[in-house]
Amino acid sequence: GENVEQHPSTLSVQEGDSAVIKCTYSDSASNYFPWYKQELGKRPQLIIDIRSNVGEKKDQRIAVTLNKTAKHFSLHITETQPEDSAVYFCAASKGNQGGKLIFGQGTELSVKP
Amino acid sequence: NAGVMQNPRHLVRRRGQEARLRCSPMKGHSHVYWYRQLPEEGLKFMVYLQKENIIDESGMPKERFSAEFPKEGPSILRIQQVVRGDSAAYFCASSLGQKNTEAFFGQGTRLTVV
Repeated sequence: GENVEQHPSTLSVQEGDSAVIKCTYSDSASNYFPWYKQELGKRPQLIIDIRSNVGEKKDQRIAVTLNKTAKHFSLHITETQPEDSAVYFCAASKGNQGGKLIFGQGTELSVKP
Repeated sequence: NAGVMQNPRHLVRRRGQEARLRCSPMKGHSHVYWYRQLPEEGLKFMVYLQKENIIDESGMPKERFSAEFPKEGPSILRIQQVVRGDSAAYFCASSLGQKNTEAFFGQGTRLTVV
């Protein structure tokens, strides 16, 4: 089955710096890659997603890149702010399995003011 | 649109008791997914249901766990004879349909087994 690896497990940056989180997936049939942000004790919330027919997607300070050949995708957060501090999860799914998401292990991002 | 609603938010059970977790999907959503999150870990897929059907239960433990999504009413995740290792946050998500539509998560039920 699908396996998603996520690195790093913890990331600490200064406010205003950029943060990059990387994920690799094993199943070449995966074609949907969402990123979720989870604050302590709260639900995961979708922040950005990308489908396999595009290589990059951007939404204000957040961008995601996808390399299908290498089977990896990355989250980029620019101009980080303290409120970006949270755990970020990448995930992968296949079109014929609906919203069944296989998640990475998570990255705890800490943005220091 | 109230979003995905889960209840209870917190549930305490003694070892050997049964736990019932409920999930009402977003209005118009007919696909429901249950995930388990152990402390300090990621989310693990458990089961995928549509109305009255289990589509994929590959992540469900073989014993004590069951799920349903009846024609009327919420989806239920049932854990019989709970053990301490069942303590976790259980999240439900719902989506519109099969083809990679966004999954919206509920607030979760935090189960503590004492």
